[in-house]
Amino acid sequence: DFQMTQSPSSVPASVGDRVTITCQANQGVNSWVGWYQQKPGKAPKLLIYAASSLRSGVPSRFSGSGSGTDFTLTISSLQPEDFAIYYCQQGNSFPLTFGGGTKVEIK
Amino acid sequence: QVHLQESGPGLVKPSETLSLTCTVSGDSITNYYWSWIRQPPGKGLEWIGYIFYSGTSTYNPSLESRVTISVDTSKSQFSLKLRSVTPADTAMYYCARMLGGDWTGVYFDFWGQGTLVTVSS
Repeated sequence: DFQMTQSPSSVPASVGDRVTITCQANQGVNSWVGWYQQKPGKAPKLLIYAASSLRSGVPSRFSGSGSGTDFTLTISSLQPEDFAIYYCQQGNSFPLTFGGGTKVEIK
Repeated sequence: QVHLQESGPGLVKPSETLSLTCTVSGDSITNYYWSWIRQPPGKGLEWIGYIFYSGTSTYNPSLESRVTISVDTSKSQFSLKLRSVTPADTAMYYCARMLGGDWTGVYFDFWGQGTLVTVSS
């Protein structure tokens, strides 16, 4: 299986901060990585797919990059509604697998 | 806009079968692949398997021996059966629509709200 390792597991941040989350695959997954945002009691929401493609309706402060084994999600200027848990997911091969999550919390 | 809704018992006894149904509205179930995903309380996400309207399915090897996913296009529904459950199967179960393919990778673009299933006697 393709294992996805996220870091950090939590990131304290303030409104306006630039936040970067990384995801590393244990083997190459091309550019087939998605990023999700999950708020308490809600289903995950797809933000980015194919490493850097912003899903329609998602604010442009979210961006993604990477290919091969190393990927990054960046929030350019953190907004109050962005405090949540973020997951990466490899879409390269079955079984589809997720990272362990990164909690963006209030500093 | 597509809407997915999970339904089924919230409590299942150990060794019994967990059965859930996902009802799809707002789009044809024949246009996409559909998945089940679960999330134990306070933990991460695990993909269970997918199905196409034709009945083609693929499962996570970690659960394959206990899982069956089926589809009923006349009701715009797909279903999950997980046999011989234990307390470790306690989780929020989500159904989701799959996006993408060979040239973009595969992702989940629409999700149900989830249903919590507890395995306990």
